[in-house]
Formats: sequence, structure tokens, C-alpha cells
Amino acid sequence: DTGVSQNPRHKITKRGQNVTFRCDPISEHNRLYWYRQTLGQGPEFLTYFQNEAQLEKSRLLSDRFSAERPKGSFSTLEIQRTEQGDSAMYLCASSLAAGPVELAKNIQYFGAGTRLSVL
Amino acid sequence: SQQGEEDPQALSIQEGENATMNCSYKTSINNLQWYRQNSGRGLVHLILIRSNEREKHSGRLRVTLDTSKKSSSLLITASRAADTASYFCATASLTSGTYKYIFGTGTRLKVLA
Repeated sequence: DTGVSQNPRHKITKRGQNVTFRCDPISEHNRLYWYRQTLGQGPEFLTYFQNEAQLEKSRLLSDRFSAERPKGSFSTLEIQRTEQGDSAMYLCASSLAAGPVELAKNIQYFGAGTRLSVL
Repeated sequence: SQQGEEDPQALSIQEGENATMNCSYKTSINNLQWYRQNSGRGLVHLILIRSNEREKHSGRLRVTLDTSKKSSSLLITASRAADTASYFCATASLTSGTYKYIFGTGTRLKVLA
């Protein structure tokens, strides 16, 4: 298993264009998270899935953002009509979903991220 | 922002010295985790401490947790140049049967050879 994979690693786009990022989680993990990280800050939660169900969305996730996980495996994050303020690193993480007692299975494993630059 | 606070924001030490980073948070938690991030990379999980634990060790890492003060510290002993990275704490709160994670702002550690 190669861990969490994100593509592309870098994306440069012009303001107003749409972009889509892909995340392939660790194969047996049924929980998948998206975060956004700007320079000098920690990751900020955007949304998460359990299998194909999107269970929570942050207020940071405006209506220009949409995430899907159609078959409960890989996930895509799309940003429509990009703005310069969308420039950031977008991180994906996955974990096993388990009860609150099995903490070790709730540890998140992160991909290397997709760095978005909006010109 | 809901992020926790970490201090110092940046720390520069000589190889072989110990590095201590602190994290403060605002809400009650189920557990607290520390992650490391090398420049331009994703985060790597280092250690997890439960809310009913006060101290935990893993190799050269020592984590303490004081829930009354809502704070945690990460100590890296005998630091190496390879420890140069940003370190983040993340609090996990159980809400409706699921964990909500909030990351701190991070401490950028530089270990000089």
C-alpha cells in the first residue's frame, strides 16, 4: 500500500477557471477528509466522507466548492470560478472509521497535498 | 478561527539540544495528537494522548497533557537536523459519535547542524 495519493501535486490556474483535485485514500480506509492549509497556518477542516456519504461540511466550504466520493473509494474536490483567495494547499486524509474506543483507528493519514495557485 | 494556539511560532536550536513546543486549545477533548509536516508535504502522525492520560513517550518524543489548563506540550530530546519541520497539535472532540479535529497554527522548528 502506497498511502494516500493526491493529484495533481501542483495546479496553477487563472481566476474564474474551474479546477478539480483527486484523492485516493488508503484502500481499506472508509473515512476520507479534505482540509485547506494556507501559508503559516494549520490545516482547516473542509469536509469528510464515510464511505460515499458526505457527513459534514465546514462553513469554509462555499457553494463554489463541491466534493464527491462516488463509490466510496477515491474522492474529488472541485472549485468553480476560482478566486485568488482560494490559493492554498489542499490536503486529503483517510482513516478507518471505528468506535470512539478504538482511537488508533481514528488516526488520519495524510497525502502530500495539492498546491493551488490562482493568478 | 477555531484553531488552537501553539507557541513558540518558530524555534531555532542546535543539534543535540531539546526542543519544547506548547499547544493550547479551547474546547473539551477526547484526545490530542501531534503531527509533523516537512516543507511542502503532508502531515505525519507522531503521537496520540488520551484525555485521561497525563504523559506519553515515543522514542525521543515526550508529550504531556493538562486538561485543566487545556494545554499540551511536545518535547523532542537530543534533536537532529532531520527533525527540522513544522509541528502541529490536533484536538479530537467526539460529537454525535464522530471525531472533529481542530489543528493548531504550528511551531516551525529549525535544528542547526
